[in-house]
Amino acid sequence: KAGVTQTPRYLIKTRGQQVTLSCSPISGHRSVSWYQQTPGQGLQFLFEYFSETQRNKGNFPGRFSGRQFSNSRSEMNVSTLELGDSALYLCASSLDTGDYGYTFGSGTRLTVV
Amino acid sequence: DQQVKQNSPSLSVQEGRISILNCDYTNSMFDYFLWYKKYPAEGPTFLISISSIKDKNEDGRFTVFLNKSAKHLSLHIVPSQPGDSAVYFCAARGTRYQKVTFGTGTKLQVIP
Repeated sequence: KAGVTQTPRYLIKTRGQQVTLSCSPISGHRSVSWYQQTPGQGLQFLFEYFSETQRNKGNFPGRFSGRQFSNSRSEMNVSTLELGDSALYLCASSLDTGDYGYTFGSGTRLTVV
Repeated sequence: DQQVKQNSPSLSVQEGRISILNCDYTNSMFDYFLWYKKYPAEGPTFLISISSIKDKNEDGRFTVFLNKSAKHLSLHIVPSQPGDSAVYFCAARGTRYQKVTFGTGTKLQVIP
């Protein structure tokens, strides 16, 4: 059974550019959540999608957005990149909620220069 | 506003001894708690969870204790093994469809 796949694994972007990250959940999982991990801040919740609808949203600026497709694959987009957006972005999928524990992907390491 | 706090950024333990990782939370509406383990260059993996109706849950070498009145939970690893060296995240959730909030993590080093 394939795990959660995130692409790309590494990304270097210039300040002011935009970026799109992709996440393919485990087959059958309908919930996809996105987290940002930075040193000392732990995992900060970005948003959660379930059946193509955003169900929860974290406290990030509007430059951070996401969507989910009918096959449950999800993308997140960051516009007008800032140096502080450099982080590991993790995607997690679950059948429905976090009852069974999320399954995380390996993440996308974004570096903004 | 850090609602889930792991006040110890790191912990070193001798192999074979007990590792105790602590977590405090401030939101009294949290009713489901989880622990995740993360190795470098990998995503976190689910370890163990506990519902607020329980005060203890065991899974092999891992036991989670919950003290609701103190808003405190802990993860015990007995005996500790070098392969347990990783960053451990505590997480919590309110009602069923709410987001999962993570702590800042504790880096555990098990010394052979």
